[in-house]
Amino acid sequence: GNSVTQMEGPVTLSEEAFLTINCTYTATGYPSLFWYVQYPGEGLQLLLKATKADDKGSNKGFEATYRKETTSFHLEKGSVQVSDSAVYFCALSRAQGGSEKLVFGKGMKLTVNP
Amino acid sequence: DAGVTQSPTHLIKTRGQQVTLRCSPKSGHDTVSWYQQALGQGPQFIFQYYEEEERQRGNFPDRFSGHQFPNYSSELNVNALLLGDSALYLCASSFVDQPYNEQFFGPGTRLTVL
Repeated sequence: GNSVTQMEGPVTLSEEAFLTINCTYTATGYPSLFWYVQYPGEGLQLLLKATKADDKGSNKGFEATYRKETTSFHLEKGSVQVSDSAVYFCALSRAQGGSEKLVFGKGMKLTVNP
Repeated sequence: DAGVTQSPTHLIKTRGQQVTLRCSPKSGHDTVSWYQQALGQGPQFIFQYYEEEERQRGNFPDRFSGHQFPNYSSELNVNALLLGDSALYLCASSFVDQPYNEQFFGPGTRLTVL
């Protein structure tokens, strides 16, 4: 079945450090890929998405590129801020249209210190 | 424009009891999905409702059931509660004809089973 494997934390960084969170997937066909973020005490928010190979999703300084050849969707940010402290989830859905269930990784907790 | 809302925020039940959780989707959305997020884990898909019918179901026992109303709001019912049902229950809404599967999540209901 479809699955997502992501780097597990927790990870602690200093402000302005570079961030990479690895994510690889297993899926048939061409899934859509997502990064969701969960701030303390809140639900999930969509951070960025990519729906086909070589697409780059970007938002709030975060980027991730859909790499079909390596089945990866790594999240990067050049300079993290304290406000980026949260749990990050990589996810996929099977279809590119309609409403399909999301399959999530286990999440990675990031803490950014001033 | 109100986002996805869920009630109650927190709930404490004892083993064997039954619980009902409620969700109102984002305005304009017609599909509601429910996810269970155990502590330290990624969300797991329970089921999805569209046009008042269960459209997809994850690997959860029949103790978990749901309903969708004509106004698209939804309920999640869990019978014969077990300690292992303690989790954050997330509701997500989407629009079935949306080109890409972007789901909007509510803040969740924290269920504790004693």
